[in-house]
Amino acid sequence: GQNIDQPTEMTATEGAIVQINCTYQTSGFNGLFWYQQHAGEAPTFLSYNVLDGLEEKGRFSSFLSRSKGYSYLLLKELQMKDSASYLCAVRDDKIIFGKGTRLHILP
Amino acid sequence: DSGVTQTPKHLITATGQRVTLRCSPRSGDLSVYWYQQSLDQGLQFLIHYYNGEERAKGNILERFSAQQFPDLHSELNLSSLELGDSALYFCASSVGSGESSYEQYFGPGTRLTVT
Repeated sequence: GQNIDQPTEMTATEGAIVQINCTYQTSGFNGLFWYQQHAGEAPTFLSYNVLDGLEEKGRFSSFLSRSKGYSYLLLKELQMKDSASYLCAVRDDKIIFGKGTRLHILP
Repeated sequence: DSGVTQTPKHLITATGQRVTLRCSPRSGDLSVYWYQQSLDQGLQFLIHYYNGEERAKGNILERFSAQQFPDLHSELNLSSLELGDSALYFCASSVGSGESSYEQYFGPGTRLTVT
């Protein structure tokens, strides 16, 4: 079956670093996405990985290991505005989203 | 602003009714995707159209149907509505349909409440 797992909630402190993990089991694989979604708003694209390794984009980095069915999103120098849900999604012939990780940032 | 527009923003209707949600993709995007997001289920992929043709189907109920018109706007029709259909419905668009097109731009969503 198709399954994407990520923690339901995480808490971190402003200025710190947090890693949000995602594991997946899908019948096919054509890339893994991370999206950010603030409450009541539309998801916004953060990153895309199709090959193993780390992709860095400013304060955000995303890592992929296809053999392990594993990805993580690393957020550095956390800011209060980073309080949001982070959605992991995998594409085979369609896109499957995880339920999201709600990240709370404490001052 | 992603450039994707959705109407209406909010919709309140009764069980058994039928509604139509509308989406206009970003200029130049040929793909339109529909998603349903409810509190307990997360973001669920419903259907994908590319240049007027259906490309992939997700967990879309038989009571739901969609189409993409020649001007590339899309409509999602929901009929025989049930309380459980209350959710946020998102439309997203992208340039292509395959691996070369990975970034999807989401519209602001339509919040449907069925009473």
